[in-house]
Amino acid sequence: SQELEQSPQSLIVQEGKNLTINCTSSKTLYGLYWYKQKYGEGLIFLMMLQKGGEEKSHEKITAKLDEKKQQSSLHITASQPSHAGIYLCGADVTGTASKLTFGTGTRLQVTL
Amino acid sequence: GAVVSQHPSRVICKSGTSVKIECRSLDFQATTMFWYRQFPKQSLMLMATSNEGSKATYEQGVEKDKFLINHASLTLSTLTVTSAHPEDSSFYICSAVQLGRDYGYTFGSGTRLTVV
Repeated sequence: SQELEQSPQSLIVQEGKNLTINCTSSKTLYGLYWYKQKYGEGLIFLMMLQKGGEEKSHEKITAKLDEKKQQSSLHITASQPSHAGIYLCGADVTGTASKLTFGTGTRLQVTL
Repeated sequence: GAVVSQHPSRVICKSGTSVKIECRSLDFQATTMFWYRQFPKQSLMLMATSNEGSKATYEQGVEKDKFLINHASLTLSTLTVTSAHPEDSSFYICSAVQLGRDYGYTFGSGTRLTVV
């Protein structure tokens, strides 16, 4: 079974609308990373969350970490076509700050 | 910020040949680098963890003799796909970690390997 589950798997939103992507872990989260990927390209770092209750924002993207629920959410406000891509959450579930385990990914399309 | 350079970005090779992919940390020293594989429309699957000066640690199910990893310096790790076959065609991405920074893990731009 997948250690990190993302929902939804895909999302189509109209430009200007808000959206939320969730990442739920079956194991304790010691660090949670959000990345964006264009198909066939590398990963662009968005944010890193380490402490329960932590919330970070960058431009129109906000990420939160709920340590108790072993869950993180990524919220995009007033979506734009430039937000389209694949969003991946990656987590350290070993507590050793070694490898990252990745979620299943969420494919976002923004329509005009 | 931290930058990881990965080359080549695309490579096409014939079945039976070997292909080397390089991953370099340009402005920091990476004691640990990771190699991932990504199939179309799927997430990243960790193949191996590469530590400078020591043997790589492979994930379960990854053939170490097929995917040779060398981490000869603090800024360079290489992945060699030996005797490549069409089923090895995939997108390979490396990552280098610099602990203590906000961006922790930095990823290369990936290499699309096509074996014909």
